[in-house]
Amino acid sequence: DTGVSQDPRHKITKRGQNVTFRCDPISEHNRLYWYRQTLGQGPEFLTYFQNEAQLEKSRLLSDRFSAERPKGSFSTLEIQRTEQGDSAMYLCASSLESDEQYFGPGTRLTVT
Amino acid sequence: RKEVEQDPGPFNVPEGATVAFNCTYSNSASQSFFWYRQDCRKEPKLLMSVYSSGNEDGRFTAQLNRASQYISLLIRDSKLSDSATYLCVVNGGGSYIPTFGRGTSLIVHP
Repeated sequence: DTGVSQDPRHKITKRGQNVTFRCDPISEHNRLYWYRQTLGQGPEFLTYFQNEAQLEKSRLLSDRFSAERPKGSFSTLEIQRTEQGDSAMYLCASSLESDEQYFGPGTRLTVT
Repeated sequence: RKEVEQDPGPFNVPEGATVAFNCTYSNSASQSFFWYRQDCRKEPKLLMSVYSSGNEDGRFTAQLNRASQYISLLIRDSKLSDSATYLCVVNGGGSYIPTFGRGTSLIVHP
């Protein structure tokens, strides 16, 4: 399968714990995006990488969220001190020199 | 005013019907536009790009109206399998941030 992959697919954590998600984009795609989606809403932009450079970060993203793409390939999204409001689907997408994005299956986070 | 607005629906139509969705955007400098389809509890999948000259792919037609700042999606001869949420995306306008609408729900019934 050469699509975007995400791991884990589901994560249940207690409030206050840290969680880390991984995204592997389509091979050679230089652009990588992270989104958060809650029920009944469209995906909400979190951050964008072009190769290893983080070029955009949503103003809505608190300091508890951080993302990396150290070698311009896979990316990680970490949420520190999780809150119940962080419960959502976290989506990763990649693209190659265009705005046509291809999404992974997402990581569903539940904070109890 | 939200940057990208869609009527959430649901649009409930019989098989074979023609249905159209609109999506309005506020940033006149926006440069690229797309429609995505999202099935329940699945990831969005690219349906089609929206070009200035319009775009047609089988039963689906997408159009862009820059003057009025909206894009549209027309689905002809609806199938049961077209039931999904349709998301519009607007890019550009001075940033790399793609902005999604909240989606329009379509239900096609027999």
